[in-house]
Amino acid sequence: QKEVEQNSGPLSVPEGAIASLNCTYSDRGSQSFFWYRQYSGKSPELIMFIYSNGDKEDGRFTAQLNKASQYVSLLIRDSQPSDSATYLCAVNIVWAGNNRKLIWGLGTSLAVNP
Amino acid sequence: DGGITQSPKYLFRKEGQNVTLSCEQNLNHDAMYWYRQDPGQGLRLIYYSQIVNDFQKGDIAEGYSVSREKKESFPLTVTSAQKNPTAFYLCASEGSTDTQYFGPGTRLTVL
Repeated sequence: QKEVEQNSGPLSVPEGAIASLNCTYSDRGSQSFFWYRQYSGKSPELIMFIYSNGDKEDGRFTAQLNKASQYVSLLIRDSQPSDSATYLCAVNIVWAGNNRKLIWGLGTSLAVNP
Repeated sequence: DGGITQSPKYLFRKEGQNVTLSCEQNLNHDAMYWYRQDPGQGLRLIYYSQIVNDFQKGDIAEGYSVSREKKESFPLTVTSAQKNPTAFYLCASEGSTDTQYFGPGTRLTVL
């Protein structure tokens, strides 16, 4: 069973701090990794994706990938109350022959306190 | 204005009734997906389609059916055989970078 694991939280940080969200995955063959944000009652929205080992920055967000250790993380700098949401990690795996699909973590709930 | 639309936003189903959820995209994406989300559980794949007139079962296809007659449209029917259909249903389409983009979702409740 190929899995993606996240700490469910809640992770609570003060406004302006760095929030660090972590995700581990079991399939060593995974090539694509995604972070989504989901507000309560809404659909997931893409924050960023990463394919290569190392860091990828987009504004206040940085994704970090370490394929050898099979983890991917998301850092949110200068956290704002509007960042309070559930963050979903998704990993692309090979499935049913030559098909690929996303495996989803259960998400980490983040609360940014003013 | 490109994107994915789902309708209705809220849907109520009586026992024994089939209902169809609509999903339309104008992003010119080939692949489309249906997921179900329940409290405390991750997104679970119901069906997916990589191309028009072709679709495959996901992890929890029992009690559901789909069609893909047009590139833009991928409707999901929840049949009476689905014993626990109350959930948040999400449709997504996938671009060339394996990135999935979601519609706003349909919340289905069984009365």
